[in-house]
Amino acid sequence: GDSVTQMEGPVTLSEEAFLTINCTYTATGYPSLFWYVQYPGEGLQLLLKATKADDKGSNKGFEATYRKETTSFHLEKGSVQVSDSAVYFCALSGGGADGLTFGKGTHLIIQP
Amino acid sequence: KAGVTQTPRYLIKTRGQQVTLSCSPISGHRSVSWYQQTPGQGLQFLFEYFSETQRNKGNFPGRFSGRQFSNSRSEMNVSTLELGDSALYLCASSPYQGPSYEQYFGPGTRLTVT
Repeated sequence: GDSVTQMEGPVTLSEEAFLTINCTYTATGYPSLFWYVQYPGEGLQLLLKATKADDKGSNKGFEATYRKETTSFHLEKGSVQVSDSAVYFCALSGGGADGLTFGKGTHLIIQP
Repeated sequence: KAGVTQTPRYLIKTRGQQVTLSCSPISGHRSVSWYQQTPGQGLQFLFEYFSETQRNKGNFPGRFSGRQFSNSRSEMNVSTLELGDSALYLCASSPYQGPSYEQYFGPGTRLTVT
């Protein structure tokens, strides 16, 4: 079945550092790929998405490119802020009807 | 616009009991999905309702069931609770059916089974 693998962390960075959170997936067909973010005490929010190979999703300074050849969707940001501290989930939606398949989540901590 | 609301936020039950969780979607949203979040298994899809019909179902036993009302509000029921059912249950709504569309998540109901 479909699966998503991502680094679990915690990942601790200093403010203004460069961020990469790796995400790889296994899926049949051509899934859509997502990054969701969960701030403390809140529900998950969609951060960005990509629906086909070579698409780049971007939002709030975060970017991720759908790489079919490496089955990856790594999340990047050039300069992180303390307010970016949260748990980040990589997810996919396959062609079937099984809801979103999530990775385990990466806890990101940004220190001032 | 009000977000997705879930009630209650916290719940403690005993093994063998049953529980009902409620989810009110964003106004105008017709799809409601439920997810279970645990430290060991992460986020797992339970089921999706759209226009009062269950459209999709994840790999959970029949003790987990749900329904959706004509106003799109949804309830999830778990019967004969087990310790392993302790989890954060998240509800998500969307205007359209299927996970490819942006899902708007509620804050969750924290269920503890003792």
